[in-house]
Amino acid sequence: SQQGEEDPQALSIQEGENATMNCSYKTSINNLQWYRQNSGRGLVHLILIRSNEREKHSGRLRVTLDTSKKSSSLLITASRAADTASYFCATRSNAGNMLTFGGGTRLMVKP
Amino acid sequence: KAGVTQTPRYLIKTRGQQVTLSCSPISGHRSVSWYQQTPGQGLQFLFEYFSETQRNKGNFPGRFSGRQFSNSRSEMNVSTLELGDSALYLCASRPNGLGDTEAFFGQGTRLTVV
Repeated sequence: SQQGEEDPQALSIQEGENATMNCSYKTSINNLQWYRQNSGRGLVHLILIRSNEREKHSGRLRVTLDTSKKSSSLLITASRAADTASYFCATRSNAGNMLTFGGGTRLMVKP
Repeated sequence: KAGVTQTPRYLIKTRGQQVTLSCSPISGHRSVSWYQQTPGQGLQFLFEYFSETQRNKGNFPGRFSGRQFSNSRSEMNVSTLELGDSALYLCASRPNGLGDTEAFFGQGTRLTVV
């Protein structure tokens, strides 16, 4: 079963705009990771944030984590058409090494 | 450094048959995990292997099994295929047994059961 939900399920924006995706989860976590998937292919790791971190940046990506609300957000700034993909959050609990994925957000960036 | 390689990329099988999927992790990686992705259930964890031992198992029936070899390559097997087993099967490798590192995914094997 999935750990949580992602919001929105689908997002359509214009190139240059910012895209924000949210992820909620249910249990205590060790870390939370964001992945990207292009059209039914493999997942590509974007960023990992540990439970004792609140914010992390990587290039045009900004991730926040609020463990009190059991939620995270991924912000993509100055989006490009090439950012069109599905984005998934995944949590790793303290109980095991498996990743538990959310349902994903389908992002479309129009040129 | 070569990435995670999954073979075959596409597979069509008939109900009742069995299938074996293969995953070669990144060189030096010892942990291999398998995930099933379907439109209805999303991404779900199947199992994880580390140093030839299954360490974690998801909530799947016994028809789903796997193994890992001494060179860290892994196979998963599904017996008595059902239509609902149609999915993208993804393999991920990590360098060690710790969960605080990113997972590197292969391109997946698209299984269609008819």
